[in-house]
Amino acid sequence: AQSVTQLGSHVSVSEGALVLLRCNYSSSVPPYLFWYVQYPNQGLQLLLKYTSAATLVKGINGFEAEFKKSETSFHLTKPSAHMSDAAEYFCAVSRDTGGFKTIFGAGTRLFVKA
Amino acid sequence: DAGITQSPRHKVTETGTPVTLRCHQTENHRYMYWYRQDPGHGLRLIHYSYGVKDTDKGEVSDGYSVSRSKTEDFLLTLESATSSQTSVYFCAISDPRGGVNEQYFGPGTRLTVT
Repeated sequence: AQSVTQLGSHVSVSEGALVLLRCNYSSSVPPYLFWYVQYPNQGLQLLLKYTSAATLVKGINGFEAEFKKSETSFHLTKPSAHMSDAAEYFCAVSRDTGGFKTIFGAGTRLFVKA
Repeated sequence: DAGITQSPRHKVTETGTPVTLRCHQTENHRYMYWYRQDPGHGLRLIHYSYGVKDTDKGEVSDGYSVSRSKTEDFLLTLESATSSQTSVYFCAISDPRGGVNEQYFGPGTRLTVT
């Protein structure tokens, strides 16, 4: 069975500081991994995805994530936070079987202080 | 942006009444999904469809039914609404070519059951 754990339901950083949102996954087969972002009163948008082509994945808005198989992690980072990054972020895992069902983490809300 | 609309966007209903939510897509994607979002739980899959008249249950399907008579429309019905079904409901679509199931989300429907 697949599962996703996001460490920290809330993360607060200062504008210009490093953003690090943690995600660990469990999967019996090589997974596809995703980060989605949700702004207030909106649906989720794809930020980036890991499909085994490269372990370091770059996404939109300056975010990137590194797939580490030995640590079963897929942490999201951004070198310098901007006020517009304040949102909720969801890590997700999927497989290419079983209806392509996706399992989402509980989410991490990012606050950015001026 | 992917062409996904949800209707209604907001609804208040009474316990015991049936409710139908509609998801409409213009992308001709094969897969469609219904999720509910609740604080601390991320997104949980209710039902999904992998083609016209082809549907399957997700992890929280009790009390919900779905129908898909056309590629573009996926309906979610709460047969007899309960207060525990107060939530934000999201529809998503995907076209998982090559096995990668990145999803595109609608704007959500906020349902309150009184």
